[in-house]
Amino acid sequence: DTGVSQDPRHKITKRGQNVTFRCDPISEHNRLYWYRQTLGQGPEFLTYFQNEAQLEKSRLLSDRFSAERPKGSFSTLEIQRTEQGDSAMYLCASSLLTSGRALEQYFGPGTRLTVT
Amino acid sequence: AQSVTQLGSHVSVSEGALVLLRCNYSSSVPPYLFWYVQYPNQGLQLLLKYTSAATLVKGINGFEAEFKKSETSFHLTKPSAHMSDAAEYFCAVSVRGGSNYKLTFGKGTLLTVNP
Repeated sequence: DTGVSQDPRHKITKRGQNVTFRCDPISEHNRLYWYRQTLGQGPEFLTYFQNEAQLEKSRLLSDRFSAERPKGSFSTLEIQRTEQGDSAMYLCASSLLTSGRALEQYFGPGTRLTVT
Repeated sequence: AQSVTQLGSHVSVSEGALVLLRCNYSSSVPPYLFWYVQYPNQGLQLLLKYTSAATLVKGINGFEAEFKKSETSFHLTKPSAHMSDAAEYFCAVSVRGGSNYKLTFGKGTLLTVNP
């Protein structure tokens, strides 16, 4: 396994711009999660996919946020009309539901977003 | 809804000393419990997990944690700290019986190891 990768690692954008992040999970992992981590806080759940289906969204995920996982492989998280409050680390994690290790989520290094 | 409280946002120990990081949880159903470690500029790495088998759980790098239902606690310990243990540690809970396995994290404890 090459691990979960995320791109870009850092993104600086101006308020009002749109940004898109990508997550590549461990190959064959059918579950993919997005979390957001702000300074001094633990990660907070945003949404998750099982294969290509988005099964749950947190109330933290406003209408400006959209996530996709076409074909059940990589996932993208888009934020439209960014606000300064969106500045955070966005973490992606994946797991293999069908194994005895369904509880084990493997995290990527994150994308740090700064909105100026 | 479940929640996690980590007592102490910053813990400092000397190299070779006992490490004790505290975690208390709240859950309306029996929980799954986890400890993750985060090194600077890296993602979270799973240290250990409790899934209702043994209450004393051993993880990687010499860490272990004990599930105490009566105290709703899941404290992380290591007998002898090493400089490489310096990192941020997160306790997390997941709901047993659900299917999403989403994690609810505490705010984290930053561990400093002094030479």
